[in-house]
Amino acid sequence: DSGVTQTPKHLITATGQRVTLRCSPRSGDLSVYWYQQSLDQGLQFLIQYYNGEERAKGNILERFSAQQFPDLHSELNLSSLELGDSALYFCASSAGTGVEKLFFGSGTQLSVL
Amino acid sequence: AQSVTQLGSHVSVSEGALVLLRCNYSSSVPPYLFWYVQYPNQGLQLLLKYTTGATLVKGINGFEAEFKKSETSFHLTKPSAHMSDAAEYFCAVSGSARQLTFGSGTQLTVLP
Repeated sequence: DSGVTQTPKHLITATGQRVTLRCSPRSGDLSVYWYQQSLDQGLQFLIQYYNGEERAKGNILERFSAQQFPDLHSELNLSSLELGDSALYFCASSAGTGVEKLFFGSGTQLSVL
Repeated sequence: AQSVTQLGSHVSVSEGALVLLRCNYSSSVPPYLFWYVQYPNQGLQLLLKYTTGATLVKGINGFEAEFKKSETSFHLTKPSAHMSDAAEYFCAVSGSARQLTFGSGTQLTVLP
């Protein structure tokens, strides 16, 4: 158990809808990272937050947004969903701003029908 | 820019045989290099990492990797495969952006 909690584990929705994925980092970790894993794109970095502030941005679509709350949990919002957004979304956390040791959650499997 | 190439999307070895998973990287700055393992229905777990110092890095579960700058490689090895090693393995690099860029993964199958 990595200590990173992601909910829900599975999500099935329809095209055009909006969903929210939730991540609770390990106790004491200030950074949260979001990754998307799909068959065609592999593992792609989406965005990083550190202590409530956006720290780095990767290949995140404009339809996607994220935030980190004062209690350090994070939410990834996906809107106007398309079939191609179906993927496994991982959250990871670390103590500081570096990637030297990331702890990954078990992911949220999103299916867009 | 930084990138990772993992040679071989699928590797099969017999139990007790040597495991060799290949990874080549490109980075415009001295890289940090990582190997992660993903078991079915689980998140990624750090196996080992190279940041600075000794180029031969030992990780968990008997795995090790050697950073070879001249070959831009960071291959993962284990002397004797065990059935429990069956999983997907990802090589990753952190370059100038200090964010992880992952390879496409290698699925390791261990045959009895």
